[in-house]
Amino acid sequence: EVQLVQSGAEVKKPGESLRISCKGSGYSFTSYWISWVRQMPGKGLEWMGRIDPSDSYTNYSPSFQGHVTISADKSISTAYLQWSSLKASDTAMYYCARHAGRTGTTGNWFDPWGQGTLVTVSS
Amino acid sequence: AIRMTQSPSSFSASTGDRVTITCRASQGISSYLAWYQQKPGKAPKLLIYAASTLQSGVPSRFSGSGSGTDFTLTISCLQSEDFATYYCQQYYSYPPYTFGQGTKLEIK
Repeated sequence: EVQLVQSGAEVKKPGESLRISCKGSGYSFTSYWISWVRQMPGKGLEWMGRIDPSDSYTNYSPSFQGHVTISADKSISTAYLQWSSLKASDTAMYYCARHAGRTGTTGNWFDPWGQGTLVTVSS
Repeated sequence: AIRMTQSPSSFSASTGDRVTITCRASQGISSYLAWYQQKPGKAPKLLIYAASTLQSGVPSRFSGSGSGTDFTLTISCLQSEDFATYYCQQYYSYPPYTFGQGTKLEIK
């Protein structure tokens, strides 16, 4: 079974750093891009960026460029989303999602999704 | 960035109803469109890709159509488990991939 399992909920203070993870299993991790998607409380889905786990090449949404860093460790089939200095406005649910098609194809819809990681930033 | 606009943003319906949700792209996206269902507290679930291809395991009462800028998701006979929020997503042009704002389907 293809599966993405994310790390657990986090409660942080403004200014703190954080890295959350997304571990893939049941497929060739380096053959499919991974994207990160934000969902603020009561709001819709926002694409943040993606990574090619085979070479760690990344693309970011202009809205998130410079605010977060996406990385991957292919040796343990895990992608990461990282903040160096959290803000209260980063409070949200964060999902990782696998691109459905292999890298280099047009299959850039998302399936499956991780279960989500709730990040709460509060003083 | 391509803007995706769904309509309506929310509406009420009854089990057994036929419902249609519309998604409009700000520019042509061919058939590079997916639909997702999200239930409260859960991750989105893929329903349809390539505008009209039903994902494996998704009930056949769901269908998608359209190309270019105008797309629809139709549920032919609403079941209780279909009350959820639905999102469209374009993957024609990136970055960024973009989602519609969502359509919340509630029980009448």
